[in-house]
Amino acid sequence: DVKVTQSSRYLVKRTGEKVFLECVQDMDHENMFWYRQDPGLGLRLIYFSYDVKMKEKGDIPEGYSVSREKKERFSLILESASTNQTSMYLCASSPPGTFLETQYFGPGTRLLVL
Amino acid sequence: DQQVKQNSPSLSVQEGRISILNCDYTNSMFDYFLWYKKYPAEGPTFLISISSIKDKNEDGRFTVFLNKSAKHLSLHIVPSQPGDSAVYFCAATALDRGSTLGRLYFGRGTQLTVWP
Repeated sequence: DVKVTQSSRYLVKRTGEKVFLECVQDMDHENMFWYRQDPGLGLRLIYFSYDVKMKEKGDIPEGYSVSREKKERFSLILESASTNQTSMYLCASSPPGTFLETQYFGPGTRLLVL
Repeated sequence: DQQVKQNSPSLSVQEGRISILNCDYTNSMFDYFLWYKKYPAEGPTFLISISSIKDKNEDGRFTVFLNKSAKHLSLHIVPSQPGDSAVYFCAATALDRGSTLGRLYFGRGTQLTVWP
């Protein structure tokens, strides 16, 4: 069965802290994505990666960075957390060269920055 | 600029009736469209999709209609059930024949509430 897991379901951090959100998929997918979901704004793409050590900026990359050292793991890093980064963060993965119905999402991490 | 728009943030429907969720897009390069469903505290799950070569795709109680000239698609749920209460996201992509990466553009979502 398809599985995308995220390291934490809920996280509380302080302003200025460095925050790591981890995502792991067990489907051997090449493509991985990080989104954030905010009320009234829907899903917005932060970063994506189509291969190990490759990354591409999405629509809202400011204040974030990513790391893809292994195929199964895609990390989102908040270099210095700010209150406007309080959000639900969703990771997704998909195999290459297929239609997008195969983009599988993790359960999400709800991050609160105080 | 929002390339995929869901102009109704919420929709309330009685059980057994039809739910119609609407979506508009601006990018004429989009040629593949998807609907995702999201329950609270869960990730979105794929529901149904449609290619631009079709104008309708049906899967059980769910049907998606595509009007390319109007750049509009809609999701019909018949009959609606309380378990359908969720946020529905419309998404679109331009299938780049030379690319192995598919990037989805999402709308802001519509909260559907189906009441008994």
